Amino acid sequence: KQEVTQIPAALSVPEGENLVLNCSFTDSAIYNLQWFRQDPGKGLTSLLLIQSSQREQTSGRLNASLDKSSGRSTLYIAASQPGDSATYLCAVRRARANTGANSKLTFGKGITLSVRP
Amino acid sequence: KAGVTQTPRYLIKTRGQQVTLSCSPISGHRSVSWYQQTPGQGLQFLFEYFSETQRNKGNFPGRFSGRQFSNSRSEMNVSTLELGDSALYLCASSLGTVDTQYFGPGTRLTVL
Repeated sequence: KQEVTQIPAALSVPEGENLVLNCSFTDSAIYNLQWFRQDPGKGLTSLLLIQSSQREQTSGRLNASLDKSSGRSTLYIAASQPGDSATYLCAVRRARANTGANSKLTFGKGITLSVRP
Repeated sequence: KAGVTQTPRYLIKTRGQQVTLSCSPISGHRSVSWYQQTPGQGLQFLFEYFSETQRNKGNFPGRFSGRQFSNSRSEMNVSTLELGDSALYLCASSLGTVDTQYFGPGTRLTVL
């Protein structure tokens, strides 16, 4: 059974700091990994998706890396801003069997980030 | 392009009642997934539909059911509501079953 862990549960940093959010997973047989952002009481916004064959993806100030063999992914946020304050979740999709079974997304519990002005 | 929409946004029900939640995916998306989010358990997968067929199911009791229509719109139903069913129910759509998922704003269900 795939388990996804995000530590710490909460993080507070001053504005302008570069930071790294970690995500670890127990089963390295993954199809892809996705990072999301969730604002309080809202749905999830997709940030980056990394296929199992890729090492990293970049979008603006965000960079996500994937190391399947060690079961780890990191989300790097450059020059953090107060508007980056939110909960960041990673989700892993297991490698798809021929029948398409067991291809659901498994989520971590998220890291709540607070960026202080 | 319009995003994923969910209705209603808020619901208050009492124990024993049943509820139906609706999700309209992004136009052209054929896969719809449902999740339950609670503070204690986080996001938990309920089920996934693709072209009107349930492709995957999470570990929830049979009181939780869903379906998908030919226009890809989806509904989920919870019967005999329990206090523990209070949660944010999120729907996500994607082109296929392994593509980027786009989430709706959720339906906040409160069971009294």
